[in-house]
Amino acid sequence: EAGVAQSPRYKIIEKRQSVAFWCNPISGHATLYWYQQILGQGPKLLIQFQNNGVVDDSQLPKDRFSAERLKGVDSTLKIQPAKLEDSAVYLCASSLSPAGGGTDTQYFGPGTRLTVL
Amino acid sequence: AQTVTQSQPEMSVQEAETVTLSCTYDTSESDYYLFWYKQPPSRQMILVIRQEAYKQQNATENRFSVNFQKAAKSFSLKISDSQLGDAAMYFCALAENAGKSTFGDGTTLTVKP
Repeated sequence: EAGVAQSPRYKIIEKRQSVAFWCNPISGHATLYWYQQILGQGPKLLIQFQNNGVVDDSQLPKDRFSAERLKGVDSTLKIQPAKLEDSAVYLCASSLSPAGGGTDTQYFGPGTRLTVL
Repeated sequence: AQTVTQSQPEMSVQEAETVTLSCTYDTSESDYYLFWYKQPPSRQMILVIRQEAYKQQNATENRFSVNFQKAAKSFSLKISDSQLGDAAMYFCALAENAGKSTFGDGTTLTVKP
């Protein structure tokens, strides 16, 4: 079974530029998560999708971050414009259950390491 | 709001010995799940063990077991017969039935040969 795929693996941009990350979850998984993991900290949930609807985006900085999940499969996370404090690893995860998805085991991708200069 | 606290930023253990990682949490929900995830250096995060709050019996997975104290809101991970491959950052996580997950800031475990 293929795991969660993410691209790119690394990205370096200047502040005020825009960047986009892509995630392909495990086939059949209804719930998809985007996390931000700053060095030395635990992952912080940015947004959670259930199929193609948003379950929780309370910690997503909506003035600069946006995310979508088309057709309930792949997802993209965008930052525009980027700030220095956005430097982090962005993790995508998926879980099987369409209901109460947060209580299911989450399967993580390798992450995208973003550096903002 | 739910919180997860891991009070040990770093721990070390001798190979073949036992080590316990601590985690405390806070939630207003009565139904929730707790997890320990492992993140090896430069590798993907994977599940180590999970515990349903409604179950009194502590979860075990081979060399990994938990001590779940619901009243104290404590969820520690015990690793027996530690191996070099156990070296990683370990995260405690809480998920409520509504779905939101909260992670602690992690404990870096070093295994000494």
